[in-house]
Amino acid sequence: EAEVAQSPRYKITEKSQAVAFWCDPISGHATLYWYRQILGQGPELLVQFQDESVVDDSQLPKDRFSAERLKGVDSTLKIQPAELGDSAMYLCASRPATGSYNEQFFGPGTRLTVL
Amino acid sequence: GENVEQHPSTLSVQEGDSAVIKCTYSDSASNYFPWYKQELGKRPQLIIDIRSNVGEKKDQRIAVTLNKTAKHFSLHITETQPEDSAVYFCAASIDTGRRALTFGSGTRLQVQP
Repeated sequence: EAEVAQSPRYKITEKSQAVAFWCDPISGHATLYWYRQILGQGPELLVQFQDESVVDDSQLPKDRFSAERLKGVDSTLKIQPAELGDSAMYLCASRPATGSYNEQFFGPGTRLTVL
Repeated sequence: GENVEQHPSTLSVQEGDSAVIKCTYSDSASNYFPWYKQELGKRPQLIIDIRSNVGEKKDQRIAVTLNKTAKHFSLHITETQPEDSAVYFCAASIDTGRRALTFGSGTRLQVQP
């Protein structure tokens, strides 16, 4: 069964350093989401892509976060510089291009710890 | 934007008992309501969902009910088993336009053997 892939699974960094996370959605899934999940809370959307275009980045802290999906397939989320409050699980999800069924498939996440 | 509230935050039941988790949403335009189960260190996995044209949906021991007028929906798990222990998240979205999900804060369910 196809799954969303993410790497790395764990990342420890010091504040003010740059970090990057990678997501490979299920093949054929045109819509890709990056969510942030703080411990003990539900995931919150950071950015949504439709193919290579950003359709919603209203909750993305653009002074330090950036995201791209250059070829409309895999995606990278970057934080520069990292702050202590960025410690969280970063989840990538994707959904199919066709149909209105909104099931989103999640990757295993990248757990970020900022020291 | 949408706001989803979820209760309780923790729930402990005896094996074989039923568990109920409740959520309310704020945006009357929301029409898709999934429930995800997240085991420790693992990805959220969809366990059941309901769309606004349906009032109830059941899948074996799991059922979801939706009250559009009151803007609340609930997850019901019957005959709970220890492997049901996990964090459960409700979510809401507008199905069209592939909108992102707005999640509740989660319920940690512990099923005691």
